[in-house]
Amino acid sequence: EVRLVQSGSEVKEPGTTIRVSCKVSGYTFGDHYIHWVQQAPGKGLEWVGLIDPEDSKTIYAEKFQGRVTIFADTTTRTVYMELKSLTYDDTAVYYCAADGAPPLLGATLAHWGQGTLVTVSS
Amino acid sequence: SYELTQPPSASVSPGQTARITCSGDALPKQYTYWYQQRPGQAPVLLIYKDTERPSGIPERFTGSSSGTTATLTIGGVQAEDEADYYCQSAINSTSSRVFGGGTKLT
Repeated sequence: EVRLVQSGSEVKEPGTTIRVSCKVSGYTFGDHYIHWVQQAPGKGLEWVGLIDPEDSKTIYAEKFQGRVTIFADTTTRTVYMELKSLTYDDTAVYYCAADGAPPLLGATLAHWGQGTLVTVSS
Repeated sequence: SYELTQPPSASVSPGQTARITCSGDALPKQYTYWYQQRPGQAPVLLIYKDTERPSGIPERFTGSSSGTTATLTIGGVQAEDEADYYCQSAINSTSSRVFGGGTKLT
C-alpha cells in the first residue's frame, strides 16, 4: 500500500522559512514524481512544484519560483518542501502527492498525504 | 499563464446525473485528471488519463474528453457525493501541472 505521511502543523512568523516533510512508503522511492500542492483557507488547489526523486530534478510553478525548494533524502525516503520569506498569504494546507505506482501507472498525483497546516502569524 | 476553467458550483438532486466541465486550450493534447475533496480531507483521485477509474471508485463516476473540454459525469448522484471537484492537467508538454478552480457540488 502506498502511504505518504507528512509532518505536523506549524506556526511561523512572517519573513521566516518553513520546511514540510513527506515520508513515502509502499513503492520504489525513485520510480515516481512527488508533487506539492497548496490550498489556502476556503480556496482551491494550487500546484507548487515537483521532484523526480531518482535524480533530484525539480520543476516549480512560476508563482513560487525563487521562494520554494523541493529536495529528497533517498536514505529516509522523505521529500521536503521549503518555502522562504513567508507572508500571511502563505497560510495554507500543503499536500504532497505521488504519481501513480502500479496499478495506477501513468496517473499523476494519484496518492496524497494527509496535509500539513502552515499558519503564518506574528 | 495557462488556466483550466471549471464552473464554481453545480447543484443536483439525489438520483440525478451531474456533469462538471473543465476547459483548457491544451486539453486536446494532454490528459485530464479528476479529484474529489470532502471538507477537511485530502483530495482523492477519481479519474485519470481522461477516462480511467482507479480501483475502489464507484462506477457512477465517469470521465470523458472532447476537444478543449473534459467532463466528469456522476450518474445517480448520492448524498455522499456532495464535495468539491477539481480537474488537473499538464501545462503543454512540460511536467508542470495546473488545477482548475474547483466545482462545489451541492
